[in-house]
Amino acid sequence: ETGVTQTPRHLVMGMTNKKSLKCEQHLGHNAMYWYKQSAKKPLELMFVYSLEERVENNSVPSRFSPECPNSSHLFLHLHTLQPEDSALYLCASSQMHQGYNQPQHFGDGTRLSIL
Amino acid sequence: AQKITQTQPGMFVQEKEAVTLDCTYDTSDQSYGLFWYKQPSSGEMIFLIYQGSYDEQNATEGRYSLNFQKARKSANLVISASQLGDSAMYFCAMRALNSGGSNYKLTFGKGTLLTVNP
Repeated sequence: ETGVTQTPRHLVMGMTNKKSLKCEQHLGHNAMYWYKQSAKKPLELMFVYSLEERVENNSVPSRFSPECPNSSHLFLHLHTLQPEDSALYLCASSQMHQGYNQPQHFGDGTRLSIL
Repeated sequence: AQKITQTQPGMFVQEKEAVTLDCTYDTSDQSYGLFWYKQPSSGEMIFLIYQGSYDEQNATEGRYSLNFQKARKSANLVISASQLGDSAMYFCAMRALNSGGSNYKLTFGKGTLLTVNP
């Protein structure tokens, strides 16, 4: 079983739809992340959760709403997205230990297309 | 602020040869970590190797080694004995190492697309 699992792998949705991306980590980590990867741009950090509390929100539009019900699961709820939101969305997890953060491990990503 | 520069959009290498992927960085942090990730066409980001700014020796992991030159602010990835399966995007990344501080943010470069030819 892979360390970080994302579902679905591919998602096509209209601008008025509501959908959710799911991420599950099996590594026992205590921090989880959402990244956006657009074509020809560096990965952009969107949200960080540490011990189920949101610790970083990088000026992400409110049409993206994260949820972290426990340390193993992370969701990204999508609502009224725009065409420029089409991208690969990557989930990652890491272990914070004594204040130091270990390397992040990523999932396969969800490729999102907005019609 | 942190910045990662990868100047090679694409690189080609013959199978079984070694290849160096360039990475330079800029940061005001005294203590930081440097990472390399591999992203195949499937999308998954695979962690390859890590170098701490305080490490005196260059990191090595199997066929991967990191040529760390702190004064020049470079952290080049060397892949020895290239294999066809090494064809992928390679990203250099860094983050601050601050105990108790905000050390979540991983700053990525734009990546280098490596193609290994048979």
